[in-house]
Amino acid sequence: GAGVSQSPSNKVTEKGKDVELRCDPISGHTALYWYRQSLGQGLEFLIYFQGNSAPDKSGLPSDRFSAERTGGSVSTLTIQRTQQEDSAVYLCASSSKRTNTDTQYFGPGTRLTVL
Amino acid sequence: AQSVTQLGSHVSVSEGALVLLRCNYSSSVPPYLFWYVQYPNQGLQLLLKYTTGATLVKGINGFEAEFKKSETSFHLTKPSAHMSDAAEYFCAVSSSGSARQLTFGSGTQLTVLP
Repeated sequence: GAGVSQSPSNKVTEKGKDVELRCDPISGHTALYWYRQSLGQGLEFLIYFQGNSAPDKSGLPSDRFSAERTGGSVSTLTIQRTQQEDSAVYLCASSSKRTNTDTQYFGPGTRLTVL
Repeated sequence: AQSVTQLGSHVSVSEGALVLLRCNYSSSVPPYLFWYVQYPNQGLQLLLKYTTGATLVKGINGFEAEFKKSETSFHLTKPSAHMSDAAEYFCAVSSSGSARQLTFGSGTQLTVLP
């Protein structure tokens, strides 16, 4: 079946511009996660959605970062006024959450480069 | 709070040799532990996970890991390395809250020499 998909696969932007990253989770998965992978910081948790609500935003690095999820499916991560330190691979994962041990399935990521 | 330490950012083995990738964790509650593999320009793929029960966990591609509570370890092994095993490997622990987000180690790049 279809896995987690993310778009675009690569995004190059100029410092100060806004960007939107999209995640399509596996159909039926109620939980959705965003992570960031960068050379200096490794893999970091950003935000978690259960359905359309985000009870845990603790990982968002600044108020320039926001995310939403609509219809319990697609999620968008928005970064406003991008900075060079935002350059990273942004990974999305989803899980069914039927139990607390459900596996998180990852998408291929969006590589963001801020010039 | 949970944390994960992976010893050795780079490991090289010869094809056919034993693979051993080390992972130690810190958790105030019984942990759920995972190993993921990442091939170049791809996302993370689950190799195996430990939740409860049997402490020796078998995963895909011939990998296995043993949960040792007394040593707070979850090392990944494979008896015989294959060229296709060359990738980056991440150990992760799941949080105790309802989000169950993953806290990852810094990763180990495995090189397999012919």
